[in-house]
Amino acid sequence: QQQVKQSPQSLIVQKGGISIINCAYENTAFDYFPWYQQFPGKGPALLIAIRPDVSEKKEGRFTISFNKSAKQFSLHIMDSQPGDSATYFCAASTGTGNQFYFGTGTSLTVIP
Amino acid sequence: GAVVSQHPSWVICKSGTSVKIECRSLDFQATTMFWYRQFPKQSLMLMATSNEGSKATYEQGVEKDKFLINHASLTLSTLTVTSAHPEDSSFYICSASSGQSSEQYFGPGTRLTVT
Repeated sequence: QQQVKQSPQSLIVQKGGISIINCAYENTAFDYFPWYQQFPGKGPALLIAIRPDVSEKKEGRFTISFNKSAKQFSLHIMDSQPGDSATYFCAASTGTGNQFYFGTGTSLTVIP
Repeated sequence: GAVVSQHPSWVICKSGTSVKIECRSLDFQATTMFWYRQFPKQSLMLMATSNEGSKATYEQGVEKDKFLINHASLTLSTLTVTSAHPEDSSFYICSASSGQSSEQYFGPGTRLTVT
């Protein structure tokens, strides 16, 4: 059973546009929600992460929106650039040192 | 920031042989290390979790006698694929946790090709 559901599977956005990727979870014990960016042939790199005590976190062009009651969180990439073209994974975990449950990934393509 | 390395980055081996992949935390002590397998265009699949000095905990369906994991120190974990077969060809990624936060730091991955 997929613990974290991610959508869409793929996304094409014009340069300068906003990319939005959504994730949903069921386990209310999750308390840490990171987003990772992965380029082909490379390991995942942390973009931004949030805890359920805040509804939004922004770092540069990347924003996480978190809706605890709906058990959903999303990644917004503002002013999307061709260099943002990569696969993005959301994840969730229940605490320090515990395993991550990954979403299925979203392949983002930003066209010039 | 926390850096995790993997070696080798790419390896080709013949069917029936064994290959060892190293995962090192370079600037922090990793109390827990995780090993993942990733197929093309798919998500990361957790294979096992290891704590320093303890036996690894394998996920359901992962053969522990085939994928030997050793976490002998706070900075090094190894994954040995024994008697490799072509179906073991994949991208293997490790991650490490310091135990001080919820974050996991990922290595760059190792591409294994079994011929």
